[in-house]
Amino acid sequence: KQEVTQIPAALSVPEGENLVLNCSFTDSAIYNLQWFRQDPGKGLTSLLLIQSSQREQTSGRLNASLDKSSGRSTLYIAASQPGDSATYLCAVRTGNQFYFGTGTSLTVIP
Amino acid sequence: GAVVSQHPSWVICKSGTSVKIECRSLDFQATTMFWYRQFPKQSLMLMATSNEGSKATYEQGVEKDKFLINHASLTLSTLTVTSAHPEDSSFYICSAPLGGLYQPQHFGDGTRLSIL
Repeated sequence: KQEVTQIPAALSVPEGENLVLNCSFTDSAIYNLQWFRQDPGKGLTSLLLIQSSQREQTSGRLNASLDKSSGRSTLYIAASQPGDSATYLCAVRTGNQFYFGTGTSLTVIP
Repeated sequence: GAVVSQHPSWVICKSGTSVKIECRSLDFQATTMFWYRQFPKQSLMLMATSNEGSKATYEQGVEKDKFLINHASLTLSTLTVTSAHPEDSSFYICSAPLGGLYQPQHFGDGTRLSIL
């Protein structure tokens, strides 16, 4: 069964810093990997989707990379802002199922 | 863009009550929808896969008779928590894929269920 892990579980940084969130998965046979943002008590907002054949995707200050063979993905956030504070989840699609990581709770301090 | 609507967003009810949660794909058809459960400070756990026109597929450990799923149309799936008890209190989220396997999942805003 696919297992998805995110490190660190929590991260606190001062505003303006660049940061990296990590996601690892045990089964490399994935269709894609998706990064989400979740605000407290809210649903999920999709940030980036990387297909299994791709190495990275960029959207604004966000850059996600994928190394399928090693079972790793990173989400890079440039010039962090207080509004970036949220929980970030990665999820891999294996077959018709989605497996979520444990999440990284990010706090950006003004 | 594609939107998944989930209703209600919050429900509080007495123990023993049955609660229905709706998940709608607003501008696309979804033959498959997914239901997740999330406990505080934990990640999402897949409960079941809802299939239009056929029975839902439940994950191991999820009680079929407790969590009834109906996918009556290509745009609507419902999750009914039957005879709810305090331990059923949780955050429930549905999702639907836009298209095939390589398309992103779109999520509803979730339903916070509190059983007194």
